[in-house]
Amino acid sequence: DAGITQSPRHKVTETGTPVTLRCHQTENHRYMYWYRQDPGHGLRLIHYSYGVKDTDKGEVSDGYSVSRSKTEDFLLTLESATSSQTSVYFCAIIRGLAGDGEQFFGPGTRLTVL
Amino acid sequence: DQQVKQNSPSLSVQEGRISILNCDYTNSMFDYFLWYKKYPAEGPTFLISISSIKDKNEDGRFTVFLNKSAKHLSLHIVPSQPGDSAVYFCAVFSNTGNQFYFGTGTSLTVIP
Repeated sequence: DAGITQSPRHKVTETGTPVTLRCHQTENHRYMYWYRQDPGHGLRLIHYSYGVKDTDKGEVSDGYSVSRSKTEDFLLTLESATSSQTSVYFCAIIRGLAGDGEQFFGPGTRLTVL
Repeated sequence: DQQVKQNSPSLSVQEGRISILNCDYTNSMFDYFLWYKKYPAEGPTFLISISSIKDKNEDGRFTVFLNKSAKHLSLHIVPSQPGDSAVYFCAVFSNTGNQFYFGTGTSLTVIP
């Protein structure tokens, strides 16, 4: 258990509304990641962070923004949700100071955009 | 473009036999390779990894093989057990890109 929690665990929202997902870790790790998992696509990286206020885009970042104002929290925001953003979202961390090594994942957030 | 491919969406194996899961990648710059296991309604969990300087890594019933010339990675599970039934993702990492790329997953069913 890497002390990662995600909230909410489930959310249903309507097209055009803003949505924020939270990832919280208790171990002060430097690297944090947001992925989405979709059938036929596996896990795809949305954004990642390598420190407070330090973030970078992944392969599917369009329509998403992130913020990391504290080491322990990494927020993923959908400014105006679309049905194509219906997915399961996973947060992950890497233990240690380097950006390699195995990732530890949170339990996931299932988001449905109607 | 898919950087990592798992061409078998599903695999069924009898309990006690060997399970072989395969993964192909496109970029020779990838230098770290991992396998994750995922049960329904849970996050993926790390299983085993291998760096590009090795061609085999073993951990109990799990062995990962790396063929760099073929850009091919495989996971062997022997003997397979019903509790191994899950979706398995391979992942690759490049120090230059500082990102992980995951395959699409293979759903393994071990039949008792």
